[in-house]
Amino acid sequence: GDSVTQMEGPVTLSEEAFLTINCTYTATGYPSLFWYVQYPGEGLQLLLKATKADDKGSNKGFEATYRKETTSFHLEKGSVQVSDSAVYFCALRADSWGKLQFGAGTQVVVTP
Amino acid sequence: NAGVMQNPRHLVRRRGQEARLRCSPMKGHSHVYWYRQLPEEGLKFMVYLQKENIIDESGMPKERFSAEFPKEGPSILRIQQVVRGDSAAYFCASSPTDASSYEQYFGPGTRLTVT
Repeated sequence: GDSVTQMEGPVTLSEEAFLTINCTYTATGYPSLFWYVQYPGEGLQLLLKATKADDKGSNKGFEATYRKETTSFHLEKGSVQVSDSAVYFCALRADSWGKLQFGAGTQVVVTP
Repeated sequence: NAGVMQNPRHLVRRRGQEARLRCSPMKGHSHVYWYRQLPEEGLKFMVYLQKENIIDESGMPKERFSAEFPKEGPSILRIQQVVRGDSAAYFCASSPTDASSYEQYFGPGTRLTVT
């Protein structure tokens, strides 16, 4: 079945450091790929998405490129801020109903 | 435009009791998804509903769990005779139509604790 694997956390960084969170997937067909962010006590918010191979999603300084050859969708940000501290979820959407398949989440902690 | 509302935010139940979780989708949204997040795990799909219809319940446990989305009022996820393993965060998401083309908007979740 479809699955998403992302790197375990917590990932602890200093402000202005470079962030990478690895995400790989297994799916039949051509899924859409997403990154969601969850701040403490809140629901998930869509951060960015890509719907086909080689698409690059970007938002708020975050980027991820849909790599079909490596079945990956790694999240990157060049210079993190304390306000980026959150849990990040990689997800795929493979079927026409729209249900999402999530990875386990990666907690990111950014220190001043 | 208010976001997706879920209540209660926290719910404590003793083993054997019933838990009833409510989700009010965003205004104009007629599609609701329920997900469960067990401790240290990602979110798992449970059920997809449209008004008065269950479209996909492939992620719902076969017993004790049920969901509805009536013509009027919120969507309800009901768990009968709760057990400790039901302790989790339950999230609902809504979209204006089926989310194959549209973003799902998530609520803040209900944290269920079974004692």
